[in-house]
Amino acid sequence: DAGVIQSPRHEVTEMGQEVTLRCKPISGHNSLFWYRQTMMRGLELLIYFNNNVPIDDSGMPEDRFSAKMPNASFSTLKIQPSEPRDSAVYFCASTPGGAVTGELFFGEGSRLTVL
Amino acid sequence: GNSVTQMEGPVTLSEEAFLTINCTYTATGYPSLFWYVQYPGEGLQLLLKATKADDKGSNKGFEATYRKETTSFHLEKGSVQVSDSAVYFCALSRGSTLGRLYFGRGTQLTVWP
Repeated sequence: DAGVIQSPRHEVTEMGQEVTLRCKPISGHNSLFWYRQTMMRGLELLIYFNNNVPIDDSGMPEDRFSAKMPNASFSTLKIQPSEPRDSAVYFCASTPGGAVTGELFFGEGSRLTVL
Repeated sequence: GNSVTQMEGPVTLSEEAFLTINCTYTATGYPSLFWYVQYPGEGLQLLLKATKADDKGSNKGFEATYRKETTSFHLEKGSVQVSDSAVYFCALSRGSTLGRLYFGRGTQLTVWP
């Protein structure tokens, strides 16, 4: 079975450029999460969706970050303009709706380097 | 609020040594508790969980017991292997149907042969 699919796996860009990260959740999962992982701050929840609706975006660092989920099988996280401090590994995760199991299914991550 | 505190690493052990990684939590009500593991270059994956007080979660030789009186969920393994080298995250869920988890900072474990 296909897991959570993220692209690109690696992205190197220059400061000021727009970055778009993509995620395809597991089919049938109703909740989708975007996390950022850095050595300094650990794992941070940026935003999460339920049934394609953003529920909590309080973790989004600033207006340069935006996320969308136009349908149940696709989400994007956009950074515009990018800055060196945005360098991190960005993870997408999904989970089924209904009864809570607590198991998040993570993608392999997108490693972003902003020069 | 909801939060998880786990022991800072890195933890370095020899193969076959005993492992304990401490985790304590703060939450209202009755959370579910989890341990996730992240192998190098990969995303996190569920290792074990416990959904109520005194439950013991276990998997791959790892165990953790949900202790409500001490608000703890310490991870243990009797004999670690080199292949257990990874980052371990403690997490809690407040029972929301939306599945949000609150993660600790993670503990890096390195096992030497």
